[in-house]
Amino acid sequence: GAVVSQHPSRVICKSGTSVKIECRSLDFQATTMFWYRQFPKQSLMLMATSNEGSKATYEQGVEKDKFLINHASLTLSTLTVTSAHPEDSSFYICSAAPGLAREQYFGPGTRLTVT
Amino acid sequence: AQSVSQHNHHVILSEAASLELGCNYSYGGTVNLFWYVQYPGQHLQLLLKYFSGDPLVKGIKGFEAEFIKSKFSFNLRKPSVQWSDTAEYFCAVKGGGSYIPTFGRGTSLIVHP
Repeated sequence: GAVVSQHPSRVICKSGTSVKIECRSLDFQATTMFWYRQFPKQSLMLMATSNEGSKATYEQGVEKDKFLINHASLTLSTLTVTSAHPEDSSFYICSAAPGLAREQYFGPGTRLTVT
Repeated sequence: AQSVSQHNHHVILSEAASLELGCNYSYGGTVNLFWYVQYPGQHLQLLLKYFSGDPLVKGIKGFEAEFIKSKFSFNLRKPSVQWSDTAEYFCAVKGGGSYIPTFGRGTSLIVHP
């Protein structure tokens, strides 16, 4: 089946630094990728929709200058958390779909801890 | 606003018990429906999906779901659960002209051996 990878799986960074998370679709091309944030024991919160070659669409309340998303190719999207703060600590999950009408395939997630 | 409701937030069962997790949505018109599972420490995996056709959908690991359009529901069922079914289960719906699915808040299932 379709596989989506994320790197790194865990990252610890200091407050004020930036962290980049990569999301790759390994065996299919993804015109659209999604970035979610998941809080403990809660559902996924959609942060933004990333379309290859164009600007990401951010959900209301998500700071686009803080969470920079780049979707440079059909198999790679990156999320950069800029000037990270402890409240940004969370589990970030990406997903990719081979087409708009298709189901999403999820990456394993990245646990970000900001100290 | 479009929404997806999972009424059972926490379910505790013994092995071999039957399972039914509720999922209701508020969209009108054509919908695509999904159930995802997240085992402890693992990523979300697709259990089953409904796009069209037979409203009774069979997925992996013995799970099935029935789309009842008149009730705006897509309940997940399994006749006999196992300890390994302990996980978080998420219902997701695409509809209302959007290609972005909306997720329910999830149901935590614990199966005691």
